[in-house]
Amino acid sequence: QVQLVESGGGLVKPGGSLRLSCAASGFTFSAYYMSWIRQAPGKGLEWVSYIFNSGSTIYYADSVKGRFTISRDNAKNSLYLQMNSLRAEDTAVYYCARLSDPWYFDYWGQGTLVTVSS
Amino acid sequence: QSALTQPASVSGSPGQSITISCTGTSSDVGGYNYVSWYQQHPGKAPKLMIYDVSKWPSGVSNRFSGSKSGNTASLTISGLQAEDEAHYYCSSYTSRTTLVFGGGTKLTVL
Repeated sequence: QVQLVESGGGLVKPGGSLRLSCAASGFTFSAYYMSWIRQAPGKGLEWVSYIFNSGSTIYYADSVKGRFTISRDNAKNSLYLQMNSLRAEDTAVYYCARLSDPWYFDYWGQGTLVTVSS
Repeated sequence: QSALTQPASVSGSPGQSITISCTGTSSDVGGYNYVSWYQQHPGKAPKLMIYDVSKWPSGVSNRFSGSKSGNTASLTISGLQAEDEAHYYCSSYTSRTTLVFGGGTKLTVL
C-alpha cells in the first residue's frame, strides 16, 4: 500500500532553516511527480511546491520562492523540502503528497508540524 | 496566486443533498479540466474525493459528484450522512503551471 511519511518538523527561530523529508513506499516513486502542501493552524490548504519525477522541473508558490528548495532522491524513494529564511507565517503542518495523472493529489502523508517562533 | 473562492460553510440534514461551489478564473478552473476535491476531518490528512472535475477515485462513494460550468466547479454530496461532516477543499491546475486550493468549506450535518 502507498505510504508517505514526513519527518523533520520542529521549532525554529525566525530566519532559521529546517529540512523536511518524506519517505515513500508502496509504489514506483520515480514514476510520479511529488508535492509539498502546507496548512497553517486553523487555516486552509496552501500548495507549496512540486517536482517532476525526474527532478528536472520544479515550481514554487510565490510565498516561498527563493527561500524553499524542493528536491528528491529516487534511489532512496525520498522527497525533501529545504526551508531557509523562515518566517512566523511559515508555521504550518507540512504535507507530502503524490501527484497523479498529473494534477491531483491522490495520496497524502500524515504531516509534520513546523513552528517558527522566537 | 489568489485562492479559489469557496463558501465558508454549508449545512444540510441527513439524507439531503448539498452543493459546494469553487470559483476561479479562466486561468485556472475555467481553463482546464483539472479540478479536484478533498475531504479533511479534524486532525487528519486530506482525502481525494473527486479528480479531473467529475471522476471518482477507487473507494469513494458515488454520493459525491463533481461538475463545472465556466469558471465555477461544484461538489455535490447526495444522501448526506453524519460522517460527511468535514472541511472540503477544491484545487485546480493553473496557467502559470502551479496549483491552487480553495479557501475551504466547512460542511455541517445538522
